[in-house]
Amino acid sequence: EVQLVESGGGLVQPGRSLRLSCVVSGFTFDDYAMHWVRQAPGKGLEWVSGISWNSEDTGYADSVQGRFTISRDNAKNFLYLQMNSLSDEDTALYYCAKDKTQWVAYYMDVWGKGTTVIVSS
Amino acid sequence: QSVLTQPPSVSGAPGQRVTISCTGSSSDIGAGHDVHWYQQLPGTAPKVLIYANTHRPSGVPGRFSGSKSGTSASLAITGLQAEDEADYYCQSFDSTLSGYVVFGGGTKLTVL
Repeated sequence: EVQLVESGGGLVQPGRSLRLSCVVSGFTFDDYAMHWVRQAPGKGLEWVSGISWNSEDTGYADSVQGRFTISRDNAKNFLYLQMNSLSDEDTALYYCAKDKTQWVAYYMDVWGKGTTVIVSS
Repeated sequence: QSVLTQPPSVSGAPGQRVTISCTGSSSDIGAGHDVHWYQQLPGTAPKVLIYANTHRPSGVPGRFSGSKSGTSASLAITGLQAEDEADYYCQSFDSTLSGYVVFGGGTKLTVL
């Protein structure tokens, strides 16, 4: 069974950092690009970042460019999102999602259940 | 502000047909990039409903169909059922942005 399980969310103060993780199973991780997508409370989906299968290509939404860094460890089947200089606008449910292809980006065919990040003092 | 424009809400009675539009521009849908649709049931993660404009993943009922023309795409749902009440999002690709993936703002479907 294909599974994506996110972790690392929590309550963090504005200006601080947080690292999200996503462990995958049930498919060959290094055959596919991966994404982070977030959803603020009561709002729509917002793509955050994506990374190609070999980490050579990454992309970021303008809203997180320069503050967030996506990475992956293909040996351990992990996807990460390092989030720095957090603000209350980053409060959201963060989903890890698998792309259908190796490249950033086509569409997301498998999603995790998400991990919640709350930025508040 | 979403790059792809969807109506905030649509509604229909059981058995009826509804459509949800997704309007882009010459840098995304109009550039020939595929459109994909996701369904998000209340309290759950999104799941892909239509990929590559018109294709349904296995397990998605034939009541759901997609189309694309010019700078727009549409999702049609026929024979509306109560369990179709959900949020629907379109998604495409924009090579002019620093990122690549663009979503629509989402459409809330209410089954009357």
